[in-house]
Amino acid sequence: GAVVSQHPSWVICKSGTSVKIECRSLDFQATTMFWYRQFPKQSLMLMATSNEGSKATYEQGVEKDKFLINHASLTLSTLTVTSAHPEDSSFYICSARQGSNYGYTFGSGTRLTVV
Amino acid sequence: QKEVEQNSGPLSVPEGAIASLNCTYSDRGSQSFFWYRQYSGKSPELIMFIYSNGDKEDGRFTAQLNKASQYVSLLIRDSQPSDSATYLCAVLTDKLIFGTGTRLQVFP
Repeated sequence: GAVVSQHPSWVICKSGTSVKIECRSLDFQATTMFWYRQFPKQSLMLMATSNEGSKATYEQGVEKDKFLINHASLTLSTLTVTSAHPEDSSFYICSARQGSNYGYTFGSGTRLTVV
Repeated sequence: QKEVEQNSGPLSVPEGAIASLNCTYSDRGSQSFFWYRQYSGKSPELIMFIYSNGDKEDGRFTAQLNKASQYVSLLIRDSQPSDSATYLCAVLTDKLIFGTGTRLQVFP
């Protein structure tokens, strides 16, 4: 089945630094990937839709200059959290779909802690 | 009105019973509907998806969709303690939107 690989699994960074999270579709091409954020005991909140070869579409309230998304190839999307602050600490998860006859598969998630 | 609504639970059922999880959605243009299971601290795992009215069965799981009522459900037969998790309903229009999830507890 479709596999989505996400790295790193966890990261601790200092306040003010930037962190890059990678999301790869291993055995299929994904023109669209979704990025979610999940705070403890809350559901997944869609941050943005990553489109291969074009600009990402951000949800209302998500700062596009803070959460930079790049989808340069059909198998790789990256999310960069710039100038991270403690309130950005969360579980970030990406998702992609192999095709319309398949469900969306999630990466294993990245737990970001900003200290 | 939230786009995707679920009862947060917890829903407690005894081992071997049928667990029934429900979800309603607001956008009539929604195309596909997904059920995910999420264990604490882990990312969601796809259980099944449905896009036509009626029932879809896969092992112990049955998804039911009623587009006229904007309602989708998941039945888990012969519930096991290992089924204890949060179950997320997700709806696809031009993006995949999740409900808040229902926490299921299966006790021995």
